[in-house]
Amino acid sequence: AQSVTQLGSHVSVSEGALVLLRCNYSSSVPPYLFWYVQYPNQGLQLLLKYTSAATLVKGINGFEAEFKKSETSFHLTKPSAHMSDAAEYFCAVSEMEYGNKLVFGAGTILRVKS
Amino acid sequence: DTAVSQTPKYLVTQMGNDKSIKCEQNLGHDTMYWYKQDSKKFLKIMFSYNNKELIINETVPNRFSPKSPDKAHLNLHINSLELGDSAVYFCASSNSLAGVTYEQYFGPGTRLTVT
Repeated sequence: AQSVTQLGSHVSVSEGALVLLRCNYSSSVPPYLFWYVQYPNQGLQLLLKYTSAATLVKGINGFEAEFKKSETSFHLTKPSAHMSDAAEYFCAVSEMEYGNKLVFGAGTILRVKS
Repeated sequence: DTAVSQTPKYLVTQMGNDKSIKCEQNLGHDTMYWYKQDSKKFLKIMFSYNNKELIINETVPNRFSPKSPDKAHLNLHINSLELGDSAVYFCASSNSLAGVTYEQYFGPGTRLTVT
């Protein structure tokens, strides 16, 4: 079975600083990977996805992620944090052989300091 | 227009009661899902339906019964509610084609509190 590990349950950055949220996955087949964001008391919004095309994926709100097969990683970055980026971020891997269910990491809460 | 909608948004009920949560999507997708987010924010799939056929049924108590009357709707009925059922339940939908993974779109969630 596939799994996702998000290093750091809480990350704190200053406004304007680089955001780096880490995600490692385990998969026996080429994975499809996703980052979702959840704002307080809201549903999950897709930030970006990797589906075996370009390894550097650009998403919404200035976020991007790089798929590194050798490191089994899919870290999320943003060059300059904004206060509105404060939320919880979830990395997920899709298990196509199991009906396309998403297996989520435990989530990382991003705090942005002014 | 809301792409994936759920009703109700909040549900407070007592142990032992039976309740239902409804989900509708207007995206034209053929696959729908139910996920449970526990108090620690951990998300785990419960069920998935493709064209009204059950394709994922995780280890979930049989008190939980999904029903899909058509491709646009997936409801979740819960019998004999227990304290441990308190969580946020998310509905999601996606398209599926052989060999292609499409992203899932999530509803706003239903916060269930069992007292």
